[in-house]
Amino acid sequence: QEQLVQSGPEVRKPGASVKISCKTSGFDFTNFYMNWVRQAPGQGLEWLGIINPNDGATTYSQKLQGRFSITSDTSTSTVFMELVSLRPEDTAIYYCARDRELLDYWGQGTLVTVSS
Amino acid sequence: DIVMTQSPLSLPVTPGEPASISCKSSQSLLHSNGFDYLNWYLQKPGQSPQLLIYFGSHRATGVPDKFSGSGSGTDFTLKISRVEAEDVGLYYCMQGLQTPITFGQGTRLDIK
Repeated sequence: QEQLVQSGPEVRKPGASVKISCKTSGFDFTNFYMNWVRQAPGQGLEWLGIINPNDGATTYSQKLQGRFSITSDTSTSTVFMELVSLRPEDTAIYYCARDRELLDYWGQGTLVTVSS
Repeated sequence: DIVMTQSPLSLPVTPGEPASISCKSSQSLLHSNGFDYLNWYLQKPGQSPQLLIYFGSHRATGVPDKFSGSGSGTDFTLKISRVEAEDVGLYYCMQGLQTPITFGQGTRLDIK
C-alpha cells in the first residue's frame, strides 16, 4: 500500500538550514507529483511547493521564494525539501503529500523547531 | 492567488445529528475537463490530514458514505449525515486548480 515516511524532528537555530526527506513506497514514484505543506503551531495548512520527479521541475510558493527548494531521487523514490536562513516563524510541522491535484496520501509530518 | 473561505470556523454537533460546512472560492474552480478542483480533508487530533472528497463530490477510497460533497464553481459544501465521536477534528477545503494551492482556514468540529 502507498506509504510516505518522513525523517525525524529537527531543532535549528535562526539562520541555519534544514533538509527533510520523504521516502515513498507502494506506488510508481515517477507517476506522481509530490508536494510539501506546512502547519505552524495552532495554525492552518500552507502549501510550499511541488516537484515533478520525472524531470525535476518545481514550482514554489512566492512566500518562501529563494529560501526553499525541493529535490527528488528516483533511485530511492524519495523527495526532499530544504529551507535555509531559518526564522522562528518557520517553526512548523512539514508534510509531504502525493499528487498534483489530489494530495491523496500524506507523510506523518516532521516537526522543525527554530529557536535560539 | 485563489482565496478559500470556510464557514463556520467552529461547529459543535450532537452525536447522531447532521453537520454541514461551507467553502467559497474567490474564483471558479471549474477546470476545462469539467471537474471542479475542490477537495475536502479531515485532520484528526495529532494526525496528518486525510483526503475525504476530491473534485467536489467524489469520495476518496475508504471514506464512509456519511460524508458527501456538493457544489460547483465557487460554492461548495461538505455534509456529514450523522456525526460520531470519531469525526472530531479540523476540516479543510483546498483548491487544486492552480498554484499556489490554497486551503480554507479550517473548521473545527467537536461533539456537544
